[in-house]
Amino acid sequence: ETGVTQTPRHLVMGMTNKKSLKCEQHLGHNAMYWYKQSAKKPLELMFVYSLEERVENNSVPSRFSPECPNSSHLFLHLHTLQPEDSALYLCASSPGGLNGNTIYFGEGSWLTVV
Amino acid sequence: GENVEQHPSTLSVQEGDSAVIKCTYSDSASNYFPWYKQELGKGPQLIIDIRSNVGEKKDQRIAVTLNKTAKHFSLHITETQPEDSAVYFCAAMYSGGGADGLTFGKGTHLIIQP
Repeated sequence: ETGVTQTPRHLVMGMTNKKSLKCEQHLGHNAMYWYKQSAKKPLELMFVYSLEERVENNSVPSRFSPECPNSSHLFLHLHTLQPEDSALYLCASSPGGLNGNTIYFGEGSWLTVV
Repeated sequence: GENVEQHPSTLSVQEGDSAVIKCTYSDSASNYFPWYKQELGKGPQLIIDIRSNVGEKKDQRIAVTLNKTAKHFSLHITETQPEDSAVYFCAAMYSGGGADGLTFGKGTHLIIQP
């Protein structure tokens, strides 16, 4: 148990569907992240939220839309995805601030786009 | 931006032997270097980290060394055991306050041969 919970763990969706990934952290952290993990590629940072404000976008396509309603919850809304978006999507959190950037990951949501 | 190179991509060692994984980074401002272990079907878990004000850190069978001049850092696992088999990722970032994302290496698949 890492303190970062992601749901669903597995998701299969069509290219015209709309779905959302959910993340909840129980660590009292101030920052939350979405990372994408594909085969043969390094983990890619997608979005960063600090105190519920987005601080980095990293040129992610607009078919991925994050939402952070409070410091404990983070969503990734998905619409009109492509097959190449199939990957493991990892949520993470960190305390934030100086010397508080140790990042803790959830177990991930496996996404398959058909 | 930061670029992290990790070698080797696959490492096979006999149980009981030592394993060494090496990473280089490009941004001399980076000052935080964590290592993560990822087992099959799970998210990455932090196993050890080092900040740029120290050159070495140990935790039981695991140690990390940092050479700031050469911009490289290494993970050392001694007396390897079957449960050490996993994918290991190095990462680097500038921890200057606020929320910053990690830049990851591509990972090393460590195989412990019985």
